Amino acid sequence: DAGVTQSPTHLIKTRGQQVTLRCSPKSGHDTVSWYQQALGQGPQFIFQYYEEEERQRGNFPDRFSGHQFPNYSSELNVNALLLGDSALYLCASSLAGYNQPQHFGDGTRLSIL
Amino acid sequence: QQQVKQSPQSLIVQKGGISIINCAYENTAFDYFPWYQQFPGKGPALLIAIRPDVSEKKEGRFTISFNKSAKQFSLHIMDSQPGDSATYFCAASRKTSYDKVIFGPGTSLSVIP
Repeated sequence: DAGVTQSPTHLIKTRGQQVTLRCSPKSGHDTVSWYQQALGQGPQFIFQYYEEEERQRGNFPDRFSGHQFPNYSSELNVNALLLGDSALYLCASSLAGYNQPQHFGDGTRLSIL
Repeated sequence: QQQVKQSPQSLIVQKGGISIINCAYENTAFDYFPWYQQFPGKGPALLIAIRPDVSEKKEGRFTISFNKSAKQFSLHIMDSQPGDSATYFCAASRKTSYDKVIFGPGTSLSVIP
């Protein structure tokens, strides 16, 4: 049973560019959340998708957007990249329901030059 | 009100000793408190979780103690092993299944032989 898979593993971009990160949830999961983890810090919630809609959003600018597909996979898009966007981007999947545990992928390491 | 505080930032424990990590929160709407373990290059993995109607939960060598009135909770790792060396995050979320998980800043644990 495959867990949460993310691609790519590493990515290098320059300021001003755009990036798309991808996530396949754990089999049977229908809810996908995205987090940004800066070096030495805890993950920060970006947003959550369920039934192809954004249900919750953290304190991130509109440059961060996402999408969920009918097969529950998800994409995170970041436009106009800034140096401060360099981080590990984590995807977590869960079942819809009361306090269902979130299962995390190993993340995409994004470096902005 | 959304913050979860965590201490210490780093911890060094001898093999066989007890590791203790403390967390505190302000938002009384939080009602689910998971702990995550993260190894370098990996995503966070759920270790153990507790709800505020329980004062203590034990799973193997890991125990969560919860003090609802003080809005504090802690993780105790008994008989700490070198394989426990990782970063530990306490977290909190609210009752609705679609709410975000708020992570603490993390504690880097090193267990020395």
